[in-house]
Amino acid sequence: GIQVEQSPPDLILQEGANSTLRCNFSDSVNNLQWFHQNPWGQLINLFYIPSGTKQNGRLSATTVATERYSLLYISSSQTTDSGVYFCAVHRDDKIIFGKGTRLHILP
Amino acid sequence: DVKVTQSSRYLVKRTGEKVFLECVQDMDHENMFWYRQDPGLGLRLIYFSYDVKMKEKGDIPEGYSVSREKKERFSLILESASTNQTSMYLCASSAANTEAFFGQGTRLTVV
Repeated sequence: GIQVEQSPPDLILQEGANSTLRCNFSDSVNNLQWFHQNPWGQLINLFYIPSGTKQNGRLSATTVATERYSLLYISSSQTTDSGVYFCAVHRDDKIIFGKGTRLHILP
Repeated sequence: DVKVTQSSRYLVKRTGEKVFLECVQDMDHENMFWYRQDPGLGLRLIYFSYDVKMKEKGDIPEGYSVSREKKERFSLILESASTNQTSMYLCASSAANTEAFFGQGTRLTVV
């Protein structure tokens, strides 16, 4: 089946720093989503981005479907950005997740 | 707003019990999913359904079954709970090949 790999697995940054999270996938996909998991376990939708670039405040995402990767950018990090970020790809009615990037923002 | 509701936030069950986890969505979505999340393993797909009474196995279906009698409700059943089924369970729904939305999760402990 399709493989989804996220990097880095862990990232520690000072408040105010910028970060880039990467998602590689092994085959063509119908769609791609980025999620943030809050401390209570809820998955929060960040972006639904099969291709192109989208921005929402300090966050933006770019998917290059032809090269099978997506990037999530977080600028001017805040402590509330801490948590696990997941990439998920849609293919054949399934949604397959990467293992996530755990982000720690230090005050 | 899309709402996906899981029946319990926390559950504690005994080994061998039959356990039902319920998920309800209010957006008339065709697709519904059950995942489990374990440390270091990310989210793994247990079962999904693309229509009423239809179901497909995901990557780890062993020890689980599902039921979808109505479009808005998707149930995950642990026929005989075991300690290795202690986990966080997450339900999601989506229209076909569109954005998926998740419930708040159920933390199940089997003792």
